[in-house]
Amino acid sequence: KAGVTQTPRYLIKTRGQQVTLSCSPISGHRSVSWYQQTPGQGLQFLFEYFSETQRNKGNFPGRFSGRQFSNSRSEMNVSTLELGDSALYLCASIPGTQGGEQFFGPGTRLTVL
Amino acid sequence: GDSVTQMEGPVTLSEEAFLTINCTYTATGYPSLFWYVQYPGEGLQLLLKATKADDKGSNKGFEATYRKETTSFHLEKGSVQVSDSAVYFCALSDADSGYALNFGKGTSLLVTP
Repeated sequence: KAGVTQTPRYLIKTRGQQVTLSCSPISGHRSVSWYQQTPGQGLQFLFEYFSETQRNKGNFPGRFSGRQFSNSRSEMNVSTLELGDSALYLCASIPGTQGGEQFFGPGTRLTVL
Repeated sequence: GDSVTQMEGPVTLSEEAFLTINCTYTATGYPSLFWYVQYPGEGLQLLLKATKADDKGSNKGFEATYRKETTSFHLEKGSVQVSDSAVYFCALSDADSGYALNFGKGTSLLVTP
């Protein structure tokens, strides 16, 4: 079974721009979560999508948004980028049952200049 | 709210030494507990998990026991290898947080030959 795919793996943007990151979960998994990893704040939960609906949301500003498509693929978008948005963005694939294992992708490294 | 506290790193050990990484948690509900490992340049891999008190998770020689009385989930390995060098994250999830993973800050482990 193929693992979690995240594209692109690396991205460089400038302040004020917006960015879209993509995540394809493991085949058959219906839920996707997103996390931000920074040296200062560690790993923080962004949001979770299940069957195209946001099921849970972390404490991030409205500049961070996401969506999920009918094939379970998910995208997250960050608008009006700030230097502090530089981070590794990790996507996790979840079979569907809440509280179960989460399988992580390799992440997208975003650098904001 | 929920929180996870891990021992600060970095931890440096010689090959074949005994490893303990301490993890304690605070949760209002009945969380599931996890250990994830992150190798350089990669995403997170689930190392082991425990879903209820007194459960012992084990994988690849690593073990951790869910201790409700001490709210702890310490990671242990009897004999570490150079290939175990990585960052280890303790995490919990429960219904109160919508099953989002709540991570500790991570403990960096370096094993020298």
